[in-house]
Parts: sequence; structure tokens; C-alpha cells
Amino acid sequence: GDSVTQMEGPVTLSEEAFLTINCTYTATGYPSLFWYVQYPGEGLQLLLKATKADDKGSNKGFEATYRKETTSFHLEKGSVQVSDSAVYFCALILNSGYSTLTFGKGTMLLVSP
Amino acid sequence: GAGVSQSPSNKVTEKGKDVELRCDPISGHTALYWYRQSLGQGLEFLIYFQGNSAPDKSGLPSDRFSAERTGGSVSTLTIQRTQQEDSAVYLCASSAGGDIQFFGPGTRLTVL
Repeated sequence: GDSVTQMEGPVTLSEEAFLTINCTYTATGYPSLFWYVQYPGEGLQLLLKATKADDKGSNKGFEATYRKETTSFHLEKGSVQVSDSAVYFCALILNSGYSTLTFGKGTMLLVSP
Repeated sequence: GAGVSQSPSNKVTEKGKDVELRCDPISGHTALYWYRQSLGQGLEFLIYFQGNSAPDKSGLPSDRFSAERTGGSVSTLTIQRTQQEDSAVYLCASSAGGDIQFFGPGTRLTVL
């Protein structure tokens, strides 16, 4: 079946540090890939997406590139802020027919001043 | 509405009681999804509605779980004879039919 694997957290960084959260996937078809973010006490919000190989999704300084050859979609940010502290979920959805989101288990990011 | 809303935001119940969780999707969104978020399990898909029909119920963990959607809008997730392992955050999402789902804030269910 389809699955998403993320690095386990928590990831603890100081403000302005570089962030990478690894995400790899297995899929029976050709997926679109997503990063969702969940801030404390809030619901999931779409952070960025990519729908085909070599696409780069970006938003709020975060980036992720769809790498078909390595089945990866790693999340990066050059300089994190305290306000980026949240749980980040990598997810996929197949592009053919009906499909629902398959999520990774989430990675908590804690940024200290 | 402006976004997906869910009620109640928190629910504490005793083991063996029935509970109903409500989801109001974004107006006009035809697709509606229920997920469960629990410690150690991440986010699990429960059920999907297209209009009032549920073509995919494959994620419902047992026959104690059921859901319905009326008028192509509001959905109710019902858990009968709740167990402690049902404790989780239940998330609802809606979609206009594309690949982006918009999530509600969730209902935190605690079964004592």
C-alpha cells in the first residue's frame, strides 16, 4: 500500500538555524505530494504542494522538491523563527481516480529564541 | 462558512456511552473526509463522502463507528459504546473535488 515516512521528532533548533525535515514515500501510482502544518491548538493547514517530478513547492520561506528518483519530498527552510514551532506532516494523494490523503506520522519542530 | 467547523471542540465521555461529532464543511465543497489523530498512530483516514454517499468507509475501525452526511453539507460521526482506545482528535476536511483538503480544528475526544 501507499505510505509516507518522516523523520521522528522533536527537532529542536535555535532561531535562524537551517531546517530539514526528511520525507520519503511509497506509492502504487503517481502521487501529488504535500506538507501540512499544525500549529499548537489549531487544525492542519496546507503549507505547500508539488504535483509532478522536479516541481518545487514553496510558501512562507519553506521549500520542498518532488524527487521521483529518490521518492522524497524533504522540507527545508533557510532560517527558522520561533513562530515556525509546530508539527509538520508530509502526505501524498494519488492522481488517478479517487484517492485520499496518506499522512506521515508528523515531525514536531521546536524553535528557541 | 469561511472554513470547516467542528463541534464540540472537546468531548469527555464515559466508557460505554455514545458520542456524536459534527462537521460543517466549506460551503459548496462536495467531498468530505473524516480522519483520526492519535498519539503514536499519526493521522488515520476513516471515511470519505462524495455528496451524501460514502464510497469509501474502509478506514472505520469497527462497526461501532458510523457516519452520515445530509443535504450534501453537514456530517455527523457517531461512535457507539465508546472505548478508551477511541480517545483521539477527530478531524474533518472538505474539498471542492481537487487534491487540496481543508481541515477543521478537530474534536478532542476523551473516553474515561
